Amino acid sequence: EAQVTQNPRYLITVTGKKLTVTCSQNMNHEYMSWYRQDPGLGLRQIYYSMNVEVTDKGDVPEGYKVSRKEKRNFPLILESPSPNQTSLYFCASSDTAVTGELFFGEGSRLTVL
Amino acid sequence: AQSVAQPEDQVNVAEGNPLTVKCTYSVSGNPYLFWYVQYPNRGLQFLLKYITGDNLVKGSYGFEAEFNKSQTSFHLKKPSALVSDSALYFCAVRAIRYGGSQGNLIFGKGTKLSVKP
Repeated sequence: EAQVTQNPRYLITVTGKKLTVTCSQNMNHEYMSWYRQDPGLGLRQIYYSMNVEVTDKGDVPEGYKVSRKEKRNFPLILESPSPNQTSLYFCASSDTAVTGELFFGEGSRLTVL
Repeated sequence: AQSVAQPEDQVNVAEGNPLTVKCTYSVSGNPYLFWYVQYPNRGLQFLLKYITGDNLVKGSYGFEAEFNKSQTSFHLKKPSALVSDSALYFCAVRAIRYGGSQGNLIFGKGTKLSVKP
């Protein structure tokens, strides 16, 4: 089954404790992206990757890091989480960056205390 | 700068009635337009897209949308709503600028559709 898998789905952590949200897709997609969803703000792009070893900032990259060492994986790293990073995070992938529809993971709800 | 607006936070319709969820956009260049749906506690799912060609686009679950260049709109429609259509709907736009460069995919803030029996 074609899917984008995110882990963990739910996480409560404390300020400053580094965490990684993993994302894996099994569709051989070149394009992957991370979004955060906040009430009243819709989805905002954090980082994206056009292909292996190619990443770029989205609209709200501050406080986040990503890497793309393999085509299928695109982890999101919060080196020192802060309460304003409490949000619902989505990973998505697509076969083409421009015209292809995005396939989304189920989401990771992160709470930073 | 490109932007997308969904002017209604919530749309309420009765089951069996037609529904419209509105979306307007502002881009420099040509727009690529998308609709996604999000059911509770789920990720977004693709519904339909307009890239080029026929202005009326048909998508999943009986939804369709009409691209109107003069009004810069891409409203989502369905002739007969179902209770199971109740969800959060997102419009998204990407600008393709003259010369071929592309903008980021920008999402609207979402419209909550509530269909009552």
